[in-house]
Amino acid sequence: DAGVIQSPRHEVTEMGQEVTLRCKPISGHDYLFWYRQTMMRGLELLIYFNNNVPIDDSGMPEDRFSAKMPNASFSTLKIQPSEPRDSAVYFCASSWTGKAQPQHFGDGTRLSIL
Amino acid sequence: AQKITQTQPGMFVQEKEAVTLDCTYDTSDQSYGLFWYKQPSSGEMIFLIYQGSYDEQNATEGRYSLNFQKARKSANLVISASQLGDSAMYFCAMREDLNSGGYQKVTFGTGTKLQVIP
Repeated sequence: DAGVIQSPRHEVTEMGQEVTLRCKPISGHDYLFWYRQTMMRGLELLIYFNNNVPIDDSGMPEDRFSAKMPNASFSTLKIQPSEPRDSAVYFCASSWTGKAQPQHFGDGTRLSIL
Repeated sequence: AQKITQTQPGMFVQEKEAVTLDCTYDTSDQSYGLFWYKQPSSGEMIFLIYQGSYDEQNATEGRYSLNFQKARKSANLVISASQLGDSAMYFCAMREDLNSGGYQKVTFGTGTKLQVIP
């Protein structure tokens, strides 16, 4: 079975550019999570969706960040304009509903903003 | 208060020895799930083991076991017979109900970096 698929795997871009990260969750999973990981701040939950509806976006750093889930099989995280401090590894994870359900993580997108 | 606390930023263990990674949690829910994930240096997050709050037996998965002490709100991961490939970051996480709406939320600890010494 295909796992969570994230693209691109690596992104290097200049400050001020728009960045779009993509995620395809595991088919049938109804929860989707976006995380950011840095050495300084560790693993941070940015936003998560249930049945394509955003449930909690309190972790989104600022208005430059936005996330959408137009359908059950696709989500995007957009940063506009990007800044060097946005450099991090961004993970997408999905799961079924249920407190016994683990999250399945994608391989992450390593983002570098110059 | 932190929802998930991992007090050991880093630990060393000799190969073939057992090691315990600590995790304490805070919740007022009666029903919740506890998870451990492994993140090797290659970066992927790997689910290791799950413990339900109503489970009377400690969870085990191969060399991994979870020492669940509900009254103390602790869910420590025990790795037996450590191997060099166990060197990684380990995260404890809890899944519980959100206060409203029938949704769930997941909280991660800050992680423990384990290094296995040959």
